[in-house]
Amino acid sequence: EPEVTQTPSHQVTQMGQEVILRCVPISNHLYFYWYRQILGQKVEFLVSFYNNEISEKSEIFDDQFSVERPDGSNFTLKIRSTKLEDSAMYFCASSEGLAGDFGPGTRLLVL
Amino acid sequence: AQTVTQSQPEMSVQEAETVTLSCTYDTSESDYYLFWYKQPPSRQMILVIRQEAYKQQNATENRFSVNFQKAAKSFSLKISDSQLGDAAMYFCAYRSGRGGSEKLVFGKGTKLTVNP
Repeated sequence: EPEVTQTPSHQVTQMGQEVILRCVPISNHLYFYWYRQILGQKVEFLVSFYNNEISEKSEIFDDQFSVERPDGSNFTLKIRSTKLEDSAMYFCASSEGLAGDFGPGTRLLVL
Repeated sequence: AQTVTQSQPEMSVQEAETVTLSCTYDTSESDYYLFWYKQPPSRQMILVIRQEAYKQQNATENRFSVNFQKAAKSFSLKISDSQLGDAAMYFCAYRSGRGGSEKLVFGKGTKLTVNP
């Protein structure tokens, strides 16, 4: 069964550094998402992407965040200058339009 | 904005017994979708069950079923014959039926413990 994959599984970075989180959505899905989950808290929506552009973004998704679909398979989330509060689990998801199939997540730790 | 409330931070159940997890939501929309996701200790998000608001019949997936009360804006999850592998965080989620808004809005979750 096809699944969403994410790399890396864990990322440790210094505050102020740039990180890129990578995702490979399910191939026939049209909608792509990034969510984050700070430890012990609920899953929060960051951004959705459809037809090669952002379709919706949350207040969390400020200028330090960007998304890109550089080729036909990858979907990336870039955090330009990481802050301590960016430490969280980042989930990529894709869907044909209803629910979302989630990837296993990238655990980001900002020191 | 839509909100999802899970009033039970933690629940426990004996193996083989039945447990019900509560979820309420607030929306002014008539077309929407509701979901339950399971998050085991691995932190993977796994879709358990989905309900379309326009369907009166409650969704069922094997041992998992929902009680969807549209007027009350309630969407509870019933797990029958609980198994040790059901132990996890369970998140209720809402998705608008409006085009251009496909994001999921999650509740804070309920931690389910299954006792042998």
